[in-house]
Amino acid sequence: AAGVIQSPRHLIKEKRETATLKCYPIPRHDTVYWYQQGPGQDPQFLISFYEKMQSDKGSIPDRFSAQQFSDYHSELNMSSLELGDSALYFCASSIGTGGRTDTQYFGPGTRLTVL
Amino acid sequence: AQSVTQLDSHVSVSEGTPVLLRCNYSSSYSPSLFWYVQHPNKGLQLLLKYTSAATLVKGINGFEAEFKKSETSFHLTKPSAHMSDAAEYFCVGGLGGGGNKLTFGTGTQLKVEL
Repeated sequence: AAGVIQSPRHLIKEKRETATLKCYPIPRHDTVYWYQQGPGQDPQFLISFYEKMQSDKGSIPDRFSAQQFSDYHSELNMSSLELGDSALYFCASSIGTGGRTDTQYFGPGTRLTVL
Repeated sequence: AQSVTQLDSHVSVSEGTPVLLRCNYSSSYSPSLFWYVQHPNKGLQLLLKYTSAATLVKGINGFEAEFKKSETSFHLTKPSAHMSDAAEYFCVGGLGGGGNKLTFGTGTQLKVEL
């Protein structure tokens, strides 16, 4: 079965650079979520989109922005990178109303390292 | 406050013995609850979910969890541990209050010994 695809899988950037992470949801899934998992931490919700509109927002820094495109893929743009942004970034997708009962299926993650 | 609490950060069992990973939640709404497993350097895999249907939920790989509203618990169990079960387990809640974000517990590292 098709799963959530994230690219790139690994990314190394310098401080103050920008990074773009991409997420391709499971076919027919209309909701995308982004999570950040710091070293030894549990995943923290950043932001979600349902039918290309932002549906919920968590602890996403102002330096980060995201959007969902017409083909339902999503991109997380990160600017002025800081050392503390080094983390594993997960994308998840679901189908449904975008509510809390929807099962979220996670991608393998993008490991971002900021030097 | 809406939260998910995993009571043990580390659990160690012998292969073939039962597994119990404990999780409590706090929510003003009827929650949706999930267990995810994360193997080293891997993504999060859904084990099972509870969404107000049957309180005993069966998942993959022989895992099951029971939703107990009176105890605000959603403990994960497996009758017999296998070496391949060694991983990090997250109890996760869709706790309501608007939005669709998931709230993660801090995780339980399961170690399975011979």
